[in-house]
Amino acid sequence: QAVLTQSPSVSGTPGQRVTLSCSGGSSNIGSNTINWYRQVPGTAPQLLIYRNNQRPSGVPDRISGSKSGTSASLAISGLQSEDEADYYCATWDDSLHGPVFGGGTKVTVL
Amino acid sequence: QVQLQESGPGLVKPSQTLSLTCSVSGGSIRSGDYYWSWIRQSPGGGLEWIGHIYYSGRTYNNPSLRSRLSISIDTTKKQFSLNLSSVTATDTAVYYCARYDITVTAGAGRMDAFDLWGQGTMVTVSS
Repeated sequence: QAVLTQSPSVSGTPGQRVTLSCSGGSSNIGSNTINWYRQVPGTAPQLLIYRNNQRPSGVPDRISGSKSGTSASLAISGLQSEDEADYYCATWDDSLHGPVFGGGTKVTVL
Repeated sequence: QVQLQESGPGLVKPSQTLSLTCSVSGGSIRSGDYYWSWIRQSPGGGLEWIGHIYYSGRTYNNPSLRSRLSISIDTTKKQFSLNLSSVTATDTAVYYCARYDITVTAGAGRMDAFDLWGQGTMVTVSS
């Protein structure tokens, strides 16, 4: 049972904008920054967003993140076939004294 | 650039100890900017933080695994290791080592993200 809650799946057509959600509580998202990871099945996760909305070098600006209260969102604009993957949100949890993850959202490009 | 590589047995018998090592290449393990971490992913499942270790040897473990878990570091070999005792089938997973960046930037706070991952190694618990 993941500590953070994500919708299991989301789909869209090429060029469309999709939004992924992540919800938590006061000890995690509510008091710490959120990260997003992208995982293509069979490979290791890769950092996509850190500090709520910052992109590592190489991540296109059509990927964006935001946080409000105990929830966070990841938006993918101009959806492409290469965006098909599993996306995980994560943050530090003050009660656990460690990082926690969401259950993941599978993005499908129709 | 810095790379992480897991190594260890792919098959462990129930009740025995799962032991994995992560080798760090291309950079220093003696940095105060990182926790060296273990994360696992059960088949078809999500990600679970197992624990991490600072270069000084201080460890932080997931409470759900704490009684069975030991994480150590050898800075001279640039390796950190995981030992998980009394394993059962529920410990079957892909195990990743990763670097957790805790760099503090003025005005922005702590980085708090897994910025580098190993490729992962599948460990099956079965007799």
